[in-house]
Amino acid sequence: TQLLEQSPQFLSIQEGENLTVYCNSSSVFSSLQWYRQEPGEGPVLLVTVVTGGEVKKLKRLTFQFGDARKDSSLHITAAQPGDTGLYLCAGAYMEYGNKLVFGAGTILRVKS
Amino acid sequence: ETGVTQSPTHLIKTRGQQVTLRCSSQSGHNTVSWYQQALGQGPQFIFQYYREEENGRGNFPPRFSGLQFPNYSSELNVNALELDDSALYLCASSSTGELFFGEGSRLTVL
Repeated sequence: TQLLEQSPQFLSIQEGENLTVYCNSSSVFSSLQWYRQEPGEGPVLLVTVVTGGEVKKLKRLTFQFGDARKDSSLHITAAQPGDTGLYLCAGAYMEYGNKLVFGAGTILRVKS
Repeated sequence: ETGVTQSPTHLIKTRGQQVTLRCSSQSGHNTVSWYQQALGQGPQFIFQYYREEENGRGNFPPRFSGLQFPNYSSELNVNALELDDSALYLCASSSTGELFFGEGSRLTVL
């Protein structure tokens, strides 16, 4: 069983649409990170959230950390083909020595 | 450009063989973590090295072992390869908690 669940697993949308990706856990995160990975490359960090209720914005991307620090969301406004990739959330848990645990990822495909 | 380099980028082995993967960490980073990413999955934590000592291990058998050198570069060794070991092996270096990943080594076991 996954400690950290991501949904949806796959998302195919048209350019200009909005989308939201979710990351949920039954345990409290010390911190949570979102990564984007393109084929043939390693994941690249987008954002780190630490405080419950925190909202961070990165251009058209909005990241939210749940008040209880058990969930997070990534919202993309007006998606573009360049947003295509694998989006991964990764949580740090105190009971795991704060080593990052990754979700299975959401494959996003934005069609022009 | 993350500064983390991994070698080889691709390799093919047969069951029962042994493999060594190498990682050169970003300048100034004293911590290296290794992850296994199977096709269609997120990365799974193998282990982490901090200043040449193992500093945490995931749910992987002992045939997965590693080293970190004084210059903080690292090796991942896998003995007695199994078909399920086919995956992308990612190395990430860090100093303040933020991970910087290399492009990975794609291992195929036949």
